[in-house]
Amino acid sequence: DGGITQSPKYLFRKEGQNVTLSCEQNLNHDAMYWYRQDPGQGLRLIYYSQIVNDFQKGDIAEGYSVSREKKESFPLTVTSAQKNPTAFYLCASSILDSVEQFFGPGTRLTVL
Amino acid sequence: GQQVMQIPQYQHVQEGEDFTTYCNSSTTLSNIQWYKQRPGGHPVFLIQLVKSGEVKKQKRLTFQFGEAKKNSSLHITATQTTDVGTYFCAGRSGNTPLVFGKGTRLSVIA
Repeated sequence: DGGITQSPKYLFRKEGQNVTLSCEQNLNHDAMYWYRQDPGQGLRLIYYSQIVNDFQKGDIAEGYSVSREKKESFPLTVTSAQKNPTAFYLCASSILDSVEQFFGPGTRLTVL
Repeated sequence: GQQVMQIPQYQHVQEGEDFTTYCNSSTTLSNIQWYKQRPGGHPVFLIQLVKSGEVKKQKRLTFQFGEAKKNSSLHITATQTTDVGTYFCAGRSGNTPLVFGKGTRLSVIA
């Protein structure tokens, strides 16, 4: 909810281009996450980070990259190696890894 | 790896009818969370269950965590149109990241 921003809301890219999705939070949360949501597939974890300058792969990390240079920012790059990048991307954050996650409004990426 | 199965995938109910979604894990969970996503929106946290056999209520919503900590359910009494959306369970085993079920999409017919 409030405190996590994702931009832009809708994004269109040509096939073969890398694209970076922004995620910023002012909740002072340590942990941040990126999920991909496809119809009927629920939320699948791409990458997560529990501290600055450290991150781990989730279940579907291939074709994606992230950085965590600042506590409040966790950008996701969708590379040209991602075979089916069109999806709804959700960023989330939490105080600790074991409590509720707060989600941003999401970015809907369409690759043409 | 850990899997979380959720059924049914879709549920259509008449307004005023009850609704239940079920969540089952392939492994014992340390906790389970429930989220609601309205159409066109993002998931919003509803509740977390931690103890074996735990039951929690939020107005018309009742959440249960199984005795073996491998299953959970969400029951809505007397559904309203405001209940429309997709309900996700998400579980964690030990220090592993949260694993989400595929969700149950609820439609309420007025």
